[in-house]
Amino acid sequence: TQLLEQSPQFLSIQEGENLTVYCNSSSVFSSLQWYRQEPGEGPVLLVTVVTGGEVKKLKRLTFQFGDARKDSSLHITAAQPGDTGLYLCAGFPTSGTYKYIFGTGTRLKVLA
Amino acid sequence: EAGVAQSPRYKIIEKRQSVAFWCNPISGHATLYWYQQILGQGPKLLIQFQNNGVVDDSQLPKDRFSAERLKGVDSTLKIQPAKLEDSAVYLCASRLTGRGEQYFGPGTRLTVT
Repeated sequence: TQLLEQSPQFLSIQEGENLTVYCNSSSVFSSLQWYRQEPGEGPVLLVTVVTGGEVKKLKRLTFQFGDARKDSSLHITAAQPGDTGLYLCAGFPTSGTYKYIFGTGTRLKVLA
Repeated sequence: EAGVAQSPRYKIIEKRQSVAFWCNPISGHATLYWYQQILGQGPKLLIQFQNNGVVDDSQLPKDRFSAERLKGVDSTLKIQPAKLEDSAVYLCASRLTGRGEQYFGPGTRLTVT
């Protein structure tokens, strides 16, 4: 079974703190996407990482794709209450059934 | 560019009743997905269409769930009869062929009582 394990599963932090969310797999992915989902809404695409070792920045969010394209991380600097939500990584593994796989999710709550 | 549209946004039904959800994907997106999402979890794929053909319906409970995409654009997902455990958010997503990113609609929150 191809899995994308995210950690931590839950995270509650104070406004202004930094945090990192991890997305790990034993499979190689052609690309990985990160989504954020707010309550009552569908997931919203944040970024796609394609190249091993790639780093992308989106304001206070920094995304990194592992060199071997098996893992990714999301780092948030100076978290704000608006960052609260469910963070999901997802992608197509390069082998196997070629099904789009979602990570297990990280629920983030940023307290004002 | 308009996003993925879904309706209704909320639905409350009693068990054993029927319900249908509608999805209109982003124009030009050949691939359409229906997902079921239980609170706090990631989306679970129910069915994937490529144009109007089914690519993957391995996790669709076919005894009660059905979906169609007759003209390769809009899609409907039906549950008949509903069970309590069907209470969830049903998400529709579309994807441009050759790209990994999926674009999601706002979802339909179903409550079965």
